[in-house]
This record gives sequence, structure tokens and C-alpha cells, in this order.
Amino acid sequence: AQTVTQSQPEMSVQEAETVTLSCTYDTSESDYYLFWYKQPPSRQMILVIRQEAYKQQNATENRFSVNFQKAAKSFSLKISDSQLGDAAMYFCAYRHMEYGNKLVFGAGTILRVKS
Amino acid sequence: NAGVMQNPRHLVRRRGQEARLRCSPMKGHSHVYWYRQLPEEGLKFMVYLQKENIIDESGMPKERFSAEFPKEGPSILRIQQVVRGDSAAYFCASSPVIEGQVPYEQYFGPGTRLTVT
Repeated sequence: AQTVTQSQPEMSVQEAETVTLSCTYDTSESDYYLFWYKQPPSRQMILVIRQEAYKQQNATENRFSVNFQKAAKSFSLKISDSQLGDAAMYFCAYRHMEYGNKLVFGAGTILRVKS
Repeated sequence: NAGVMQNPRHLVRRRGQEARLRCSPMKGHSHVYWYRQLPEEGLKFMVYLQKENIIDESGMPKERFSAEFPKEGPSILRIQQVVRGDSAAYFCASSPVIEGQVPYEQYFGPGTRLTVT
């Protein structure tokens, strides 16, 4: 079974600085998707960024980028120029590409942004 | 295009009562997923449905829990004889059907927070 591990229960960053959230996963499959979701205090799940495993290029969405290391099964999220609105719980998630549409989530990392 | 709708947003039930959680997917989406989030934890998959079919219920507890997605109307997650351990946030997500493609984008609703007293 696939597992997703987020080893940092909580992280802090100064406003305008850069922070990296870690995620590792375990799978025997070669084709899959990886995601980062943001959950603010409203509890709404918001998709931040998506990475297809067959793509070597790291995904980027504005201030958010990932460092995808397939061999190491590592998928970290980098947030540049952190803003107060980035404060939230961040979840890393895995999904197999061909079958089984369920998302497998990590336990989450709370990100605090200091002004 | 309205997002995924869930109601109620908050539901309080006494032990032994039934809880019914509703999810209306985004327009044009025919795949629905239910996830449960216990306090201080990540989301855990429960069930995946298409219209009138349960595709994957590997995450559903064996007893008291059931789900349906009828041809007409919202998807329903039903919990019979609730216990305190059922207190959690229940999220619904939906995804579209794109001809020839496996759906991968899941759009989440705001969740229903169930409290069992």
C-alpha cells in the first residue's frame, strides 16, 4: 500500500522569506500523481500544485514550486516570498495514475507566517 | 460554475442517532469521493462512487457506514448509530469525466463537521 510521510508537524517562516515543506512517499508503481493541498482555518481544501511522475521538470505555480526526486521518492514544496495568507495546514498527497482514484494524504504540516 | 456543495456544514448528533451527509458535485462531474479527517490528522479515503455505482469502498468501515450516488440528486454518506469516534470532518470531492482520460483532478467541498455528543 502507498504511504505518504510528512516529517515536519509544524514550520515557521518570516514574511517575505522562503520555506520548504518536506514530503516522502512509498510506492512500487512508476506512474502516479503527487499533489500539495492547502487547508486554511476555513478547512476548505485548496489544490496548490500538481506533479505528474513521468515529467522530469518540476512543477511551478507562481510562488510555489516543487522539488521532485523520483528515485528518492521525495516531493518537497517551496514557498517563496511568503505571505500572511500562506499560513495554513499543508498536505502532501499521492494518487496512482491508472486505477484507484483515491488520494493518499500525509498527516500535514502546519505553516505559520510571522510578520 | 458553483463548486462542490456539502450540507449541512455542521451536524450534531447524539450517540445512537443517524447522520446523513449530502454532497452535490460540480456541474458535469460524475465521480464523487468521500474522505474523513479526524482531529489533528490528514484526510483518509472512504469511498469512490460514480452515478449509481460504488467503484471503491476500501476505506469504508465495515459496519454502520454506507454511501450512495443516485442517478438524480446528491451523493449521501450515511452513518447509522453514531458513536463518539465518528466525530470528524467529512469531505466530499468530485472530478469530471474526460473522454479517454482517467480523471485526476479532485475538487473538494467545504466539508461537514460531525459532532457526536
